[in-house]
Amino acid sequence: SQQGEEDPQALSIQEGENATMNCSYKTSINNLQWYRQNSGRGLVHLILIRSNEREKHSGRLRVTLDTSKKSSSLLITASRAADTASYFCATQLYGGSQGNLIFGKGTKLSVKP
Amino acid sequence: DVKVTQSSRYLVKRTGEKVFLECVQDMDHENMFWYRQDPGLGLRLIYFSYDVKMKEKGDIPEGYSVSREKKERFSLILESASTNQTSMYLCASMDRQSFSYEQYFGPGTRLTVT
Repeated sequence: SQQGEEDPQALSIQEGENATMNCSYKTSINNLQWYRQNSGRGLVHLILIRSNEREKHSGRLRVTLDTSKKSSSLLITASRAADTASYFCATQLYGGSQGNLIFGKGTKLSVKP
Repeated sequence: DVKVTQSSRYLVKRTGEKVFLECVQDMDHENMFWYRQDPGLGLRLIYFSYDVKMKEKGDIPEGYSVSREKKERFSLILESASTNQTSMYLCASMDRQSFSYEQYFGPGTRLTVT
């Protein structure tokens, strides 16, 4: 099935810097979500952006969505060591039923103190 | 807070064994999902259920079956475990009525088949 692809696969930054991760997808969507996964644990929902929205903020997170380019970006500002995790985008396809999501392969973020 | 629990964090089984992975959610969610996660492949949907006794195949159902006899519990069954089923298994639930479309995940079960 179609899948979101995150870019880069891995990112290493210093504490206090901003981290930007990108996600591209292939088909029309209802919404796009970002999740975080700490090492060896389950995923935690961070933020959802609907197809008719262009930008959304939550604390230090900013998500943008460009449906014409079928892409999204997640910006984490003033990163902290605790932000070290893998980040996944997930798309709910347009017309998709039952809330199924298609996950990308993730970006592994390392924030060095 | 929504809580999704999985029966084991780590599990080691032998090839050919029948394996049961249990998932329980405490928020009366209609939808429940089973994924497997492998390095470089991300999360792939095995099965999902949108109601008691209802199940739908995901992207990789081969070698797996599921059971949902009660709303809060969704079980993944490996009929005859094989080494290529060594993986991290993640369960999730979702409140379809809320239209938030957020999935709540359990902590995962790391299964090793030897």
